[in-house]
Amino acid sequence: DTGVSQNPRHKITKRGQNVTFRCDPISEHNRLYWYRQTLGQGPEFLTYFQNEAQLEKSRLLSDRFSAERPKGSFSTLEIQRTEQGDSAMYLCASRRTDRGNTEAFFGQGTRLTVV
Amino acid sequence: SQKIEQNSEALNIQEGKTATLTCNYTNYSPAYLQWYRQDPGRGPVFLLLIRENEKEKRKERLKVTFDTTLKQSLFHITASQPADSATYLCAPDTGGFKTIFGAGTRLFVKA
Repeated sequence: DTGVSQNPRHKITKRGQNVTFRCDPISEHNRLYWYRQTLGQGPEFLTYFQNEAQLEKSRLLSDRFSAERPKGSFSTLEIQRTEQGDSAMYLCASRRTDRGNTEAFFGQGTRLTVV
Repeated sequence: SQKIEQNSEALNIQEGKTATLTCNYTNYSPAYLQWYRQDPGRGPVFLLLIRENEKEKRKERLKVTFDTTLKQSLFHITASQPADSATYLCAPDTGGFKTIFGAGTRLFVKA
């Protein structure tokens, strides 16, 4: 396992459609994070998981967004009824927390364009 | 609310000079602070972590300081090279292993 993998790398969708992204973290990492990033901004926290439990969801996240991490392995992020404002890079990161304060490893991201 | 501030304007320096980037935070006391590098179209990559009881941390040409009184971290790149051109993100710990980032500072190193 060489790192965090995200699929697809790019997604173009029409407004109103649903989209789903997948993240495969580094296998021994218990924490998994989703971020959204727009041009010129830092990654904005969306949600994170400890194994299969979703610990926190950003208040900025509307009900159209949902994330799952069944069995504590891969995770999916779904956006329902997409809007043009959802266009962004969606980043996934993972880390392990049983060795103290270790760094987060990021995937290459999924770039979403809503037309 | 917790706030992280990084220089929003890009930093332009000449090759060989030292680049210094600033990260200020308010309304919390992080136990540690991380710096990441991000290239266009790619995910951030971890560079350094400094803990609250450490004043300074070095890694090759990189140096990070952490002043918990000023609530500030400085990130230095000595002998800068064009390959150092990227966006640098600051991430003070918010507790619970939740990593929150500043907006980042773009660095351009001219040959």
